Amino acid sequence: EPEVTQTPSHQVTQMGQEVILRCVPISNHLYFYWYRQILGQKVEFLVSFYNNEISEKSEIFDDQFSVERPDGSNFTLKIRSTKLEDSAMYFCASSEGRLPSSYNEQFFGPGTRLTVL
Amino acid sequence: EDQVTQSPEALRLQEGESSSLNCSYTVSGLRGLFWYRQDPGKGPEFLFTLYSAGEEKEKERLKATLTKKESFLHITAPKPEDSATYLCAPGRLWNNRKLIWGLGTSLAVNP
Repeated sequence: EPEVTQTPSHQVTQMGQEVILRCVPISNHLYFYWYRQILGQKVEFLVSFYNNEISEKSEIFDDQFSVERPDGSNFTLKIRSTKLEDSAMYFCASSEGRLPSSYNEQFFGPGTRLTVL
Repeated sequence: EDQVTQSPEALRLQEGESSSLNCSYTVSGLRGLFWYRQDPGKGPEFLFTLYSAGEEKEKERLKATLTKKESFLHITAPKPEDSATYLCAPGRLWNNRKLIWGLGTSLAVNP
């Protein structure tokens, strides 16, 4: 069964360093997403991406964050200068969305646990 | 402001003891409501999509229902492997596929 994969599973970094989190969405999916979940808190939407551009972003997704689809399979989230409060589980998700009026379920990867020291 | 409230926050059941989880929401332009299951340290796992009031979906011991203001996840004769956090996520249409998440109900099923 196709699945979303994410690497690394755990990333430890120093405050102020740049990190890149990687995701491989399901191959025939057109919409891609990043979410984060701080321990014990709600899952929070960060950004959605379609047709090689951001379709929506939350207020959390400020200038420190960027996303990219560098090739036909990978989808990345970059945090330029990490802060302590960026420590969280980051989930990538993808959905089909082949029709404009459809609303397809999002399938999530296993997550990357980011620890900022 | 969009809001999602799930209750109870935590629920402990004996194996075979049926119960229901609630998701109340106020979301403008609601298009669909999604139920996910999340195991500790894992990503949410899709369970159901509900699109309109009165709709019901079933999967094994789980049944999800939807009204205009809330959704229920009914668990019939649960087993220990049903232990997880169950998350409700209404979503909005148009060009916006952002899901709005509840905090979840943490379910523990004792053998």
